[in-house]
Amino acid sequence: KAGVTQTPRYLIKTRGQQVTLSCSPISGHRSVSWYQQTPGQGLQFLFEYFSETQRNKGNFPGRFSGRQFSNSRSEMNVSTLELGDSALYLCASSWGPYNEQFFGPGTRLTVL
Amino acid sequence: AQSVTQLDSQVPVFEEAPVELRCNYSSSVSVYLFWYVQYPNQGLQLLLKYLSGSTLVKGINGFEAEFNKSQTSFHLRKPSVHISDTAEYFCAVSVTENNDMRFGAGTRLTVKP
Repeated sequence: KAGVTQTPRYLIKTRGQQVTLSCSPISGHRSVSWYQQTPGQGLQFLFEYFSETQRNKGNFPGRFSGRQFSNSRSEMNVSTLELGDSALYLCASSWGPYNEQFFGPGTRLTVL
Repeated sequence: AQSVTQLDSQVPVFEEAPVELRCNYSSSVSVYLFWYVQYPNQGLQLLLKYLSGSTLVKGINGFEAEFNKSQTSFHLRKPSVHISDTAEYFCAVSVTENNDMRFGAGTRLTVKP
């Protein structure tokens, strides 16, 4: 069974630009969560989607948004990039509540 | 909201020695607790989880953890570590019915020969 895949793996952008990250969950998983990992703030929950609906949202500004498609694939968008958005963005999928989350390898975003 | 505190940012230990990585949580409702491991340049991998039932949970790679409700702790233990256990370990808590998982700051375990 293929794992969670994230594209691209690495990305370099400049301040003010926007970026879209993609996550393909494990087949059959309906929940996709996004996390930001930085050395200073650690792992922080961004949002979770279940059956195309955002079910939970972390404490991030509105520049961070996401969506989930009918095939459970999810995208995350960050607009007006700031230097502080440089991070590893992790996507995790699970079958549903209470179930183990399986993490992808992450997308390393660098903002210059 | 729930939160997690990992009490040690770094834990150095010699190979074949026992190790304990400490985790405390706070929540006003019932929680689900997890330990994840992250190897360099990789995503997170689940070591073990506590949902209900027995408070002693066994996971992969010889790790185990004990849920202590009175002390709001979920410490991770391994009786004998290997060089390959060198990694970052994260404790996480989730409340019922959602995947709003909150992670601790992580503990860097370094196993020395």
